[in-house]
Amino acid sequence: QKEVEQNSGPLSVPEGAIASLNCTYSDRGSQSFFWYRQYSGKSPELIMSIYSNGDKEDGRFTAQLNKASQYVSLLIRDSQPSDSATYLCAVIIRAGGTSYGKLTFGQGTILTVHP
Amino acid sequence: DGGITQSPKYLFRKEGQNVTLSCEQNLNHDAMYWYRQDPGQGLRLIYYSQIVNDFQKGDIAEGYSVSREKKESFPLTVTSAQKNPTAFYLCASSIREGFVIDGYTFGSGTRLTVV
Repeated sequence: QKEVEQNSGPLSVPEGAIASLNCTYSDRGSQSFFWYRQYSGKSPELIMSIYSNGDKEDGRFTAQLNKASQYVSLLIRDSQPSDSATYLCAVIIRAGGTSYGKLTFGQGTILTVHP
Repeated sequence: DGGITQSPKYLFRKEGQNVTLSCEQNLNHDAMYWYRQDPGQGLRLIYYSQIVNDFQKGDIAEGYSVSREKKESFPLTVTSAQKNPTAFYLCASSIREGFVIDGYTFGSGTRLTVV
């Protein structure tokens, strides 16, 4: 099982729709979760972080975390063509027997928003 | 402005040649990281360093070497032992390993191609 796994893509949605991106992780003790956006040829850009169960909203973005199910998601409302990018889920995965961990990335989901 | 500077942006390596990628940060971050990204893939950890003169192997360290002589600098050498080095290389930093509130800060990346 991969440590961080994202739903297979690519994902295509019409402009104005809600885009839903999903991610599961293996370390039940993980406490920190992040979503990065990466445009083609560019470095990842942090767009959301979440640490507690429930929803966290920031503008058109909502991150959802369910630690019992080891699941984190990102919703993008009113999707725009400029949202077209690869979205990377990242989780702090602990090294065995330690309290510190490394930021571990999923494989990414390519989102295309078409006019 | 604080940030991470990677150079060069593009690098071409001949077969059997060692090349060094530069990474400098002025964020006063303790921890620094090197990731590799292949097309359509997430980021994989090569090496990381929590403190000056100390570094640890990540998931794919074979064929790579690093040094951390100064807090601000974490260069990566891609040796001739790395048989498939063509990839996008990303340097990142955080306040300290495991203590990640805002996620990692990334440089703009170096695209390495074998010719």
